[in-house]
Amino acid sequence: DQQVKQNSPSLSVQEGRISILNCDYTNSMFDYFLWYKKYPAEGPTFLISISSIKDKNEDGRFTVFLNKSAKHLSLHIVPSQPGDSAVYFCAASRNAGNNRKLIWGLGTSLAVNP
Amino acid sequence: EAGVTQFPSHSVIEKGQTVTLRCDPISGHDNLYWYRRVMGKEIKFLLHFVKESKQDESGMPNNRFLAERTGGTYSTLKVQPAELEDSGVYFCASSPQGATGYTFGSGTRLTVV
Repeated sequence: DQQVKQNSPSLSVQEGRISILNCDYTNSMFDYFLWYKKYPAEGPTFLISISSIKDKNEDGRFTVFLNKSAKHLSLHIVPSQPGDSAVYFCAASRNAGNNRKLIWGLGTSLAVNP
Repeated sequence: EAGVTQFPSHSVIEKGQTVTLRCDPISGHDNLYWYRRVMGKEIKFLLHFVKESKQDESGMPNNRFLAERTGGTYSTLKVQPAELEDSGVYFCASSPQGATGYTFGSGTRLTVV
């Protein structure tokens, strides 16, 4: 039973436009959410995170929005660039002291077309 | 600063054989995690070390898997004997105390035939 769901396996956008990647979760105990980006043959790279006490976090071209009542978060990339083409993973964790065990979604493959 | 290093990058072994994966975390990172991604499935947590101690090993599939972290530095993950369903990519990650994001290695792709 997946606790973190990314229902879109793939997304294609034009360079310069906005990319919106979505993630839903079922466990209301999650208190921290992260987005990772992954290129082929590499490990995931941390992108941006958000605590459950916030509803928005922004870092340059990347913004994560959290809607706790809907148990939904989204990652906005604007403007999208060809180098953003990668698989994006949503992950969640519960506060467990120093143990930040992550629960992952299946990922969304983003293709940014020039 | 060197990143998280894993080797081998690929390993192909026969069912019943033993394989040992190694992870060298970023120097000074107390937290070390192992994750696994089986084809078509999500990345799943295996275990977490704090220094040399196992903090959480709730994700270890069964007793064919043994993880160690010598002196709080590098870690090994041994699979003995390997089964077909053990095939996948094994990722190691590390982080300093109190951090919420990790740095991942490039992974070891294990294929059991």
